[in-house]
Amino acid sequence: GDSVTQMEGPVTLSEEAFLTINCTYTATGYPSLFWYVQYPGEGLQLLLKATKADDKGSNKGFEATYRKETTSFHLEKGSVQVSDSAVYFCALSGGGTASKLTFGTGTRLQVTL
Amino acid sequence: DTAVSQTPKYLVTQMGNDKSIKCEQNLGHDTMYWYKQDSKKFLKIMFSYNNKELIINETVPNRFSPKSPDKAHLNLHINSLELGDSAVYFCASSPDFAGTQYFGPGTRLLVL
Repeated sequence: GDSVTQMEGPVTLSEEAFLTINCTYTATGYPSLFWYVQYPGEGLQLLLKATKADDKGSNKGFEATYRKETTSFHLEKGSVQVSDSAVYFCALSGGGTASKLTFGTGTRLQVTL
Repeated sequence: DTAVSQTPKYLVTQMGNDKSIKCEQNLGHDTMYWYKQDSKKFLKIMFSYNNKELIINETVPNRFSPKSPDKAHLNLHINSLELGDSAVYFCASSPDFAGTQYFGPGTRLLVL
């Protein structure tokens, strides 16, 4: 079945540091890939997505590229802020008649001054 | 305006009780979902409905019964609550099966 593997957290960075959160997936066919963010005490918000190979999703300075050859969708940001502290989830959707999101385990990011 | 709303936000109850969580979306979406997030933040699909019809049931105990009175609502009823049911339950909706899913704020359930 489909699965998503994310790097273990927590990730602790100083403000303005470069962020990478690794995500790899296993799926049949051609899934869509997503990054969701969960701020403390809140629900999930879509951060960015990519629906086909080589697509780059971007939002709020975050970006991720759909790499079919390495089955990866790593999240990057050039300069993190304290306000980026949250849990980040990589997910895939297989589409079709029974689509569902399969999530990774989440990576907690803590940004300090 | 809230796109996907859930009530209640918090629910504390005793083992063995029956409780319901309500979800409503005003996005005009056809598909709605319930997810469970455990204490380690792991998220897993429970159910999916499309136009009031059950599409996905991910081996959830039959104590959990979703009900969709119309395509804007998907409620979750839980019978005979157990300690292991304590979690955060998220409702989501999407315009179709392949579309982006939009999540509600979650309902934090604590079973004592």
